[in-house]
Formats: sequence, structure tokens, C-alpha cells
Amino acid sequence: SQQGEEDPQALSIQEGENATMNCSYKTSINNLQWYRQNSGRGLVHLILIRSNEREKHSGRLRVTLDTSKKSSSLLITASRAADTASYFCATDLIQGAQKLVFGQGTRLTINP
Amino acid sequence: DVKVTQSSRYLVKRTGEKVFLECVQDMDHENMFWYRQDPGLGLRLIYFSYDVKMKEKGDIPEGYSVSREKKERFSLILESASTNQTSMYLCASSFPGRSSGNTIYFGEGSWLTVV
Repeated sequence: SQQGEEDPQALSIQEGENATMNCSYKTSINNLQWYRQNSGRGLVHLILIRSNEREKHSGRLRVTLDTSKKSSSLLITASRAADTASYFCATDLIQGAQKLVFGQGTRLTINP
Repeated sequence: DVKVTQSSRYLVKRTGEKVFLECVQDMDHENMFWYRQDPGLGLRLIYFSYDVKMKEKGDIPEGYSVSREKKERFSLILESASTNQTSMYLCASSFPGRSSGNTIYFGEGSWLTVV
């Protein structure tokens, strides 16, 4: 079963608006990461938040983590057309091998 | 910059052919991974390797094998390609140890079509 599940599956907003994507997971984690994928390309790491952190910022990105609810959110502020991509959360599980488990992603479209 | 290079960007193979997908990383990473990505299914781990000559099955290893003879190179092998293996294949690498956060660096992907 999927460890990380993103919500919504697709999101379309106007340039300049904020975009929020959510990720839920099932088991305890060491950290949670967000990746971005432009169409037909590989994934690029955006930001990592550890299990003992609640919020993290990087430029226009803000990530929150609520371990009691087993959920995370990625906020992109002042969106740009170039932010159009798919965004994936990935969880590093406490139990098991050192490998990330990816969700199915949120497809974000920024309309100019 | 970390570079993970996949040798072929687009391939078309026939059913039953043996297919090799090659991946090379230049950051001396111990960990290497092969994922496949399909619409609606996200990324699924096929195999991973912690070190030279070591390999472990991921979530969907059936129909695949891997080879890691050198630290920088990790090959994915489809012994007898089938149409249900048409997909995008992503290679990745990372440093070991959770202190590094296990951030993964991906290649650009290989689009395989089996006809």
C-alpha cells in the first residue's frame, strides 16, 4: 500500500497565487522530503523536514510536518509559470532499509 | 553538482529482447536505485544497492535483475522484455546513513517502449 499519498492529485491556479499540496503517510518516519518533477524529466530534491521539526522554509517554499496526524504540506507562495510541475512527497521510514517511499504526486499547473 | 547519467533517453525494444539500462553517478555514492514510473502509480522501487556487488529487491523486482560491478555504475536488466514493462525508468543515488537525510539524486529518466 502507498506510504505517502498526495492531495490533491491535480491543482490549477493563477500565477501569483499560493499553491498548497498535502501528503499523508501511514507509519513512523525519520524524515519527509519533497521533490519536483518537470514533465518527462527526473525528480529534483526541494526540501527535507526531519521528524522532530514542525516547519521549514526555503525561498518561496514552506513545509510543515504534523507527526501526530501523519501529514505534511508544501506551500509555494507567489507562484510562477515555471513552478508548473509534479510534486512528490517521500518518506524515510524508521523501520526498514534506507530507501524513500514516494507518493503518487500532485500535478500543479500555474496559469499565466 | 551531482550528476546521475542514464545512458539511453528513449528506447524501443521488441518483446522477448534482453534490455540493458545503464546508470552512472559521479559523486561516489554508496546507494543506487532503480525506479519505474507509471501514470497513476507514482514511483515504484525495483531494486537498490548499498555497495558494489550488493543488491536488494524493491517492491516490484519481478522480471528485472540488476548488476553493480563498480561503485559508480548500476545496471538494470530486463531478461525478456514484455509490453507491460513499457514505462519510464529512473535511476538514482544517495549517500548512506540517515544523518545525510538520505536525499536522492535522480537521473533524467529512460523511456522504454516494448512492442
